Amino acid sequence: QKEVEQNSGPLSVPEGAIASLNCTYSDRVSQSFFWYRQYSGKSPELIMSIYSNGDKEDGRFTAQLNKASQYVSLLIRDSQPSDSATYLCAVRYQTGANNLFFGTGTRLTVIP
Amino acid sequence: GAGVSQSPSNKVTEKGKDVELRCDPISGHTALYWYRQSLGQGLEFLIYFQGNSAPDKSGLPSDRFSAERTGGSVSTLTIQRTQQEDSAVYLCASSPGLSGEKLFFGSGTQLSVL
Repeated sequence: QKEVEQNSGPLSVPEGAIASLNCTYSDRVSQSFFWYRQYSGKSPELIMSIYSNGDKEDGRFTAQLNKASQYVSLLIRDSQPSDSATYLCAVRYQTGANNLFFGTGTRLTVIP
Repeated sequence: GAGVSQSPSNKVTEKGKDVELRCDPISGHTALYWYRQSLGQGLEFLIYFQGNSAPDKSGLPSDRFSAERTGGSVSTLTIQRTQQEDSAVYLCASSPGLSGEKLFFGSGTQLSVL
């Protein structure tokens, strides 16, 4: 059973702080990893993808992947109230017809 | 428009009625997904189409749910004899194909079963 797990939160951080979102997955035969952001009442949108171990930075966002420990993280530096949303982790595995699995999401609130 | 289009945006129906939800993916995208999202919950996978391959229907919750994709483009999700627990947002997403990583989501259909 392939699983993607996230802490549902809510996670609250003050404006300007670093928000750290974590995701673990159950199957080592994984290929690529994604973070989607979903504002309340809106559809998910991709904000980060990462394919190899290490860090990937894009503006205020950093994705971290550790395949040995089977976790992927998203760091948001200098958090802004506009970052308040639910963040969904997704893992694409190498096998299977539908090989994309989503976590249940972590709700982040950035307090002004 | 250039995005994934879903219709209707809202649907209110009575228990026991059938409903059809439509998804028009981005032109050229061969992969199409249907998800369901209840209030405050994550994405529940329903069905996946990839090109001309047989769809992966493993997520459909009961035989009241079915979906088809005509000509490799537009998809219709049909729910027969709707129940109150079917109330949710139904999201469609498409991607360029087997190597296409990014999913592009439509704005969803909010289904309310009274």
